[in-house]
Amino acid sequence: DAGVTQSPTHLIKTRGQQVTLRCSPKSGHDTVSWYQQALGQGPQFIFQYYEEEERQRGNFPDRFSGHQFPNYSSELNVNALLLGDSALYLCASSFGNPPSGYTFGSGTRLTVV
Amino acid sequence: QKEVEQDPGPLSVPEGAIVSLNCTYSNSAFQYFMWYRQYSRKGPELLMYTYSSGNKEDGRFTAQVDKSSKYISLFIRDSQPSDSATYLCAMGPSQGGSEKLVFGKGTKLTVNP
Repeated sequence: DAGVTQSPTHLIKTRGQQVTLRCSPKSGHDTVSWYQQALGQGPQFIFQYYEEEERQRGNFPDRFSGHQFPNYSSELNVNALLLGDSALYLCASSFGNPPSGYTFGSGTRLTVV
Repeated sequence: QKEVEQDPGPLSVPEGAIVSLNCTYSNSAFQYFMWYRQYSRKGPELLMYTYSSGNKEDGRFTAQVDKSSKYISLFIRDSQPSDSATYLCAMGPSQGGSEKLVFGKGTKLTVNP
């Protein structure tokens, strides 16, 4: 049973560019959340998608946007990249309310130069 | 005051030692509590999930939640070198029943052979 799959694994972008990260949730999960983890820090919640809509959003600027597709997969888009956006971006999937747990992918490491 | 406080360590112990990891939190709305293990440059892996107060045991791992003190713990018995990782506490929901997870900064553990 495949877990959460994220692509790409690594990415280097230049300041001002735009990036799209992708996530396929664990089989049977319908909710996708995105987190940003800076080096030496715990993950910070960006937003959550359920039924193709953004259900909740953390304290991140509008440069961060997302989408969920009918097959529950999701994308995270970041516009006008800043050096401070360099981090590990994690996708987590879940099912149920309350969820029985969140399954995380291995993440996409984004470096902005 | 941060919602979740976790001593970042680092913590270094000999093989076979009992390890105690702790987090405190300030938001009494949290209802479920998790511990994740994260190896270097990997995504977090769910170790323990506890709903409300009490103890939960799984093999060498025991999770404790004391909601009256807003304090959670993870104990690792007979620690192994393979337990060397960063341990993250996480909890939710928070305001308005949201499902976002709030993480501690993580404690880096090294188990020496």
